[in-house]
Amino acid sequence: DQQVKQNSPSLSVQEGRISILNCDYTNSMFDYFLWYKKYPAEGPTFLISISSIKDKNEDGRFTVFLNKSAKHLSLHIVPSQPGDSAVYFCAASLNSGGYQKVTFGTGTKLQVIP
Amino acid sequence: NAGVTQTPKFQVLKTGQSMTLQCAQDMNHNSMYWYRQDPGMGLRLIYYSASEGTTDKGEVPNGYNVSRLNKREFSLRLESAAPSQTSVYFCASGREFRTEAFFGQGTRLTVV
Repeated sequence: DQQVKQNSPSLSVQEGRISILNCDYTNSMFDYFLWYKKYPAEGPTFLISISSIKDKNEDGRFTVFLNKSAKHLSLHIVPSQPGDSAVYFCAASLNSGGYQKVTFGTGTKLQVIP
Repeated sequence: NAGVTQTPKFQVLKTGQSMTLQCAQDMNHNSMYWYRQDPGMGLRLIYYSASEGTTDKGEVPNGYNVSRLNKREFSLRLESAAPSQTSVYFCASGREFRTEAFFGQGTRLTVV
């Protein structure tokens, strides 16, 4: 039962254009969401997060949007740069039995074409 | 400025062998975690330690044990390796469980 889904395994975007990565979740109890970026042979790196009480969080070129009614999360990268080429994981957190359970999606591989 | 350091980076084991994956962080974080990453499965939590002296099971703990040796170190042990444990293992740390985690570079483990 995949509670956090990234339905697009890959995405290609031209340099300078917008990249939009999507994430859907099924559990309405998730109350904190994070995005991580992962380069090959490296560990994931935290990118940006959002609490469920917000619908938008911005950090430089990265913006995360949360639509709770649709249980949908998206990451916008504007403008996209070749160095953004990586695998992006979304993650969702909830309180489960006294601890914060974090569930990761399966990842979307972004390729930014120069 | 090492962050989270994992050893070894690569390992090949025979079925039934045991080994310990080492992890150390120098950021004075309370929480530490072990994840595994398999193709098409995302990252799944094996065990975590919310603070020194405590450990708890995550999503896929079977076949593993952990030790929180001190605040810096959190090790993962495979007592009797199985081919199903072939994976990439990541150690991570964070101020609290809920906040962003800092990951090590990973250990690629193959069990034959």
